[in-house]
Amino acid sequence: KQEVTQIPAALSVPEGENLVLNCSFTDSAIYNLQWFRQDPGKGLTSLLLIQSSQREQTSGRLNASLDKSSGRSTLYIAASQPGDSATYLCAVRPSGGSNYKLTFGKGTLLTVNP
Amino acid sequence: DTGVSQDPRHKITKRGQNVTFRCDPISEHNRLYWYRQTLGQGPEFLTYFQNEAQLEKSRLLSDRFSAERPKGSFSTLEIQRTEQGDSAMYLCASSTDRGRREKLFFGSGTQLSVL
Repeated sequence: KQEVTQIPAALSVPEGENLVLNCSFTDSAIYNLQWFRQDPGKGLTSLLLIQSSQREQTSGRLNASLDKSSGRSTLYIAASQPGDSATYLCAVRPSGGSNYKLTFGKGTLLTVNP
Repeated sequence: DTGVSQDPRHKITKRGQNVTFRCDPISEHNRLYWYRQTLGQGPEFLTYFQNEAQLEKSRLLSDRFSAERPKGSFSTLEIQRTEQGDSAMYLCASSTDRGRREKLFFGSGTQLSVL
């Protein structure tokens, strides 16, 4: 059974700092990995998707990397802003069987202080 | 394209009542998912539709839960005889088959509180 762990559970940084969020998964047989952002009481917004054959994806100040063999992904946020404050979730999609079911981590709660 | 729409945003009900939620996916998306999220946890898969066919239902869904997607368009999730343990955020997502590039788009969710 796939398990996804996100470390740290919470992170507080001053504005302007670069930061890294970590995601690890136990089964490396994945189809893709997706990073989401969730604001309090709201739904999920997709940030980046990395296919299993890719090593990284970039969008603006965000960069996500994937090391499938070691079961790890990181989300790098450059020059953080107070508006980046949210919970960040990673989710993996398995490569076989029921490959439409995402398994999520519990998320990292990020607070960027002005 | 207005994204995935869910209604209502919030629902407060008394234990034992029935509730129904609606999800309108992105119009060209043929895949629709329901997930449930409790406080401090990541979303958990409930069920999946490809067009109008419900292809999988999680063991998390007891017999009190039923989901439909008539004509492969909008979907409804009904909970009968609600229990306090049903209190959660119910999230709907949709996608279209793009292989490894397939990305899920989520709605804003329906927050259910069972008193």
